[in-house]
Amino acid sequence: GAVVSQHPSRVICKSGTSVKIECRSLDFQATTMFWYRQFPKQSLMLMATSNEGSKATYEQGVEKDKFLINHASLTLSTLTVTSAHPEDSSFYICSARDLVTGDPYNEQFFGPGTRLTVL
Amino acid sequence: AQTVTQSQPEMSVQEAETVTLSCTYDTSESDYYLFWYKQPPSRQMILVIRQEAYKQQNATENRFSVNFQKAAKSFSLKISDSQLGDAAMYFCAYRNNDMRFGAGTRLTVKP
Repeated sequence: GAVVSQHPSRVICKSGTSVKIECRSLDFQATTMFWYRQFPKQSLMLMATSNEGSKATYEQGVEKDKFLINHASLTLSTLTVTSAHPEDSSFYICSARDLVTGDPYNEQFFGPGTRLTVL
Repeated sequence: AQTVTQSQPEMSVQEAETVTLSCTYDTSESDYYLFWYKQPPSRQMILVIRQEAYKQQNATENRFSVNFQKAAKSFSLKISDSQLGDAAMYFCAYRNNDMRFGAGTRLTVKP
């Protein structure tokens, strides 16, 4: 299947700093990318949906000024956690959908995740 | 809004036996997709099986099969001949435009 990469896999930062997480589709064009957040022993919660070249759509309760999403190309989306605080510590997973292959399921591929720890 | 419910936080199965994980969902849509994902300790999401809502035939992938009851909005996963490598978190997911997940079921496989 198609591959989605995330960078970095782990990041530790100080409270008040900003952190950028990259999500790349390596062998397909992802017109739509999704960002999820997963707390320990919990499910994946959708944070936002981003379409290439347009503003992201955020889920209710997700602060768009805090979690900046940019989807500037068909293979790259970035999530920037601004002014991070310890409560932002979590596992962030991106996912991308390939709308070009003709796969009737339009399968959604997941990145390996990024563990963010804010001290 | 669509919701996905997994009522079994934990399940356990003996190696080589069969186990069924439950999932129900709520939607007003008629066309959608349903998925089961496995998340091992690495936390990489791995697609186990998928089902299109308009297909009545239950999906099967080797040892994994589903029981899809559209009217009841139920989508259970059956794992046959369980293996030690099947131990993981299993998430049921619903997708119309975006994908929503249930709370997950932690499956333990006993040797």
